[in-house]
Amino acid sequence: EADIYQTPRYLVIGTGKKITLECSQTMGHDKMYWYQQDPGMELHLIHYSYGVNSTEKGDLSSESTVSRIRTEHFPLTLESARPSHTSQYLCASSESPPGGETQYFGPGTRLLVL
Amino acid sequence: KNQVEQSPQSLIILEGKNCTLQCNYTVSPFSNLRWYKQDTGRGPVSLTIMTFSENTKSNGRYTATLDADTKQSSLHITASQLSDSASYICVVSDRGSTLGRLYFGRGTQLTVWP
Repeated sequence: EADIYQTPRYLVIGTGKKITLECSQTMGHDKMYWYQQDPGMELHLIHYSYGVNSTEKGDLSSESTVSRIRTEHFPLTLESARPSHTSQYLCASSESPPGGETQYFGPGTRLLVL
Repeated sequence: KNQVEQSPQSLIILEGKNCTLQCNYTVSPFSNLRWYKQDTGRGPVSLTIMTFSENTKSNGRYTATLDADTKQSSLHITASQLSDSASYICVVSDRGSTLGRLYFGRGTQLTVWP
């Protein structure tokens, strides 16, 4: 089992609320990622980071933002949640390089915005 | 367009039976192909990884094959168990460098019945 954690596991909130999804890993990996996954659909990369103070947007446009102040921590923030943000959010980490190494995934956060 | 297609979309088998899941890809240039297992409500966990020169890789009752010429891979599960019920995701990387990106299939949902 990989040492990568996400909280909360489930979250139900109202429209317009600000939320932060937490992701932490204890493996010392430089690379971290956020994916969005809808039921029965493929994972879509929304953010990634190659190290401290490095963040990039992924393939899928997202209104969320991320920060990487510490190696082990990669939180994702939604300033104003909307029903369209309802989805599962998966955090992952890997050693360099990202294409050649296995990504280790957290358990995910299931978000429901009412 | 780089794509990963998996079939079947879903599969139901009886405990103890064997099954084979398919993955076809058009990703180029090819670096490696991974099979992940994703239990309901959990993050994906890596089962196997194969590079261009490998045509088979086993992990317990899971055996993956790769035909890089036809761009096809399969995952064979032997003597299925109830715990094999999960989504199996095929992931292809386009190069093993810092610039590498991953292409995810939508997964095959496997249900094993007693």
